[in-house]
Amino acid sequence: DVQMAQSPSSLSASVGDRISITCRASQDIRSFLAWFQQKPGRAPKSLIYGASNFQSGVPSRFSGSGSRTEFTLTINSLQPEDFGTYYCQQYDSFPWTFGQGTRVEIK
Amino acid sequence: QITLKESGPTLVKPTQTLTLTCTFSGFSLSADGLGVAWIRQTPGKALEWLAVIFWDDDRRYSNSLKGRLFVTKDTSNSRVVLALTDVDTVDAGTYFCARRSSTGEIDYWGQGTPVTVSS
Repeated sequence: DVQMAQSPSSLSASVGDRISITCRASQDIRSFLAWFQQKPGRAPKSLIYGASNFQSGVPSRFSGSGSRTEFTLTINSLQPEDFGTYYCQQYDSFPWTFGQGTRVEIK
Repeated sequence: QITLKESGPTLVKPTQTLTLTCTFSGFSLSADGLGVAWIRQTPGKALEWLAVIFWDDDRRYSNSLKGRLFVTKDTSNSRVVLALTDVDTVDAGTYFCARRSSTGEIDYWGQGTPVTVSS
């Protein structure tokens, strides 16, 4: 199985800050990497696919980059509604696997 | 508009079979490349992929739950059914269904359905 390791596990930042979350795969997953945002008690929401492509309706302050084994989700100018937990997921090979999540708190 | 919704029992007893239904709209599971996946989230934990069924009836399962999981589709009624046999308390959590797009990624999620396992 491909292991997905996210860092940090949590972070606290202020409105307007730029934050980055890293996801590392245990083997080459090409660009088959997605990012999701989940708020408490809600279903995950798809943000990014193919490492850097936006899902429809995702604000442009979100961006994804990387390939093979190292990926980054960046939020430019953090907004109050960006709190929640962010997950990466690889879909290059079965079984699909998720990172353990990064909890984002707004100071 | 694409929507998915999970339904099923909120309480099952240990050793029973959990059967969940995903009813979707806005797409057809006969369209090339599409699939419906199941993912669960145990209390306080991360997301765990369980299974996916594709437009061509190909199915893939989690290695850790293989042998206990079965997924089937009813294309004409826009439903996918997941069965998890011999449940245990560790199977409690929220179960989500989600659409797998023709480019491979999950793009739409259901709201999730909570499941408790208790005698």
